[in-house]
Amino acid sequence: QKEVEQDPGPLSVPEGAIVSLNCTYSNSAFQYFMWYRQYSRKGPELLMYTYSSGNKEDGRFTAQVDKSSKYISLFIRDSQPSDSATYLCAMSGPGNQGGKLIFGQGTELSVKP
Amino acid sequence: EPEVTQTPSHQVTQMGQEVILRCVPISNHLYFYWYRQILGQKVEFLVSFYNNEISEKSEIFDDQFSVERPDGSNFTLKIRSTKLEDSAMYFCASSEGSPNQPQHFGDGTRLSIL
Repeated sequence: QKEVEQDPGPLSVPEGAIVSLNCTYSNSAFQYFMWYRQYSRKGPELLMYTYSSGNKEDGRFTAQVDKSSKYISLFIRDSQPSDSATYLCAMSGPGNQGGKLIFGQGTELSVKP
Repeated sequence: EPEVTQTPSHQVTQMGQEVILRCVPISNHLYFYWYRQILGQKVEFLVSFYNNEISEKSEIFDDQFSVERPDGSNFTLKIRSTKLEDSAMYFCASSEGSPNQPQHFGDGTRLSIL
């Protein structure tokens, strides 16, 4: 079983739709969960950072972590064409002295006007 | 907003040659990282660096790789004898006060080995 799994898509939605992006993971020790957005030929840009379980909201973005199911989600409300990018989940665990992030494959999102 | 900067944006090198990739982390950050992303694959951790020492390294980071903070602002990744399979995007990242704080990435160096 892969440590972090993410549906690569591509996912195509109309402008204004609610987008749901998901990752599952196998290592129950993970406690820090991140979502990054990556535009073509650019580096990952941090969107959301969550510690342990629960929800976090920032503008049109909501991150959810369900540690019991080993499942994390990113919701984008009122999606815009500028949201078209690849979305990467990443996570790390406690006692992680080195800060190593484990990434998902990335989901390619296209928001059509 | 402070950002991580990487140079060059694209490096083309002959197989067997040495290459140095350069990064300027965010100025008040203490932890530094290198990741790589082979075309079509996941972003993979290479190494983390704190207090002038390697904190953690992956299996990819073998004897051909080294990192250095030669001065107060730069952080470099050296590959001594490049192989074709080293062709990838290399990303530098930094985080502020602990390895579990958010990591901020540069835009990467695309390394092409011929």
